Amino acid sequence: KAGVTQTPRYLIKTRGQQVTLSCSPISGHRSVSWYQQTPGQGLQFLFEYFSETQRNKGNFPGRFSGRQFSNSRSEMNVSTLELGDSALYLCASSLDGISNQPQHFGDGTRLSIL
Amino acid sequence: KQEVTQIPAALSVPEGENLVLNCSFTDSAIYNLQWFRQDPGKGLTSLLLIQSSQREQTSGRLNASLDKSSGRSTLYIAASQPGDSATYLCAVKNSGYSTLTFGKGTMLLVSP
Repeated sequence: KAGVTQTPRYLIKTRGQQVTLSCSPISGHRSVSWYQQTPGQGLQFLFEYFSETQRNKGNFPGRFSGRQFSNSRSEMNVSTLELGDSALYLCASSLDGISNQPQHFGDGTRLSIL
Repeated sequence: KQEVTQIPAALSVPEGENLVLNCSFTDSAIYNLQWFRQDPGKGLTSLLLIQSSQREQTSGRLNASLDKSSGRSTLYIAASQPGDSATYLCAVKNSGYSTLTFGKGTMLLVSP
């Protein structure tokens, strides 16, 4: 069974640009969550999608947005990039996000802002 | 607001030692607690999940315990090996619909 797949693995952007990251969950998983990981703040929750609907949202500015498609694949978009957006962005999937099933993470997208 | 703390931040041990990693949380009304491992430049690998009604879970050389009333969990690694070197993170889920709150991790180095 394939794991959680995130593309691309690495991205380099400049300030002011926008970026789209993609996540394909494990087959059958309908909940997809996004996290930002930085050395200073650790792992912070961005948002969670289930059945194409945003179910939870973390404390991030509106520049961060996401969506989920009918096949459960998810994308997150960051507009007007800032230097502080440099981070590892991790996607996690689980069956439904509310039961006692573990969350499974992808290898992440490393975003660097110049 | 739930806060998760992991102590120590870093740990270095010789191969073969048994070791304990600690995780504490401020809100004891948790739904479950999950331990993860993260290798450099990689994502998180789920190690163990303990439901709120459970006291411990075991997988191979790993044993995780949970004491909800005191807001603590420990991850015990028996007979450590160099391949165990990684950052270990604990994460708490406060309700069925909530997301994970993570500690900042313990970086473990096991020397041959």
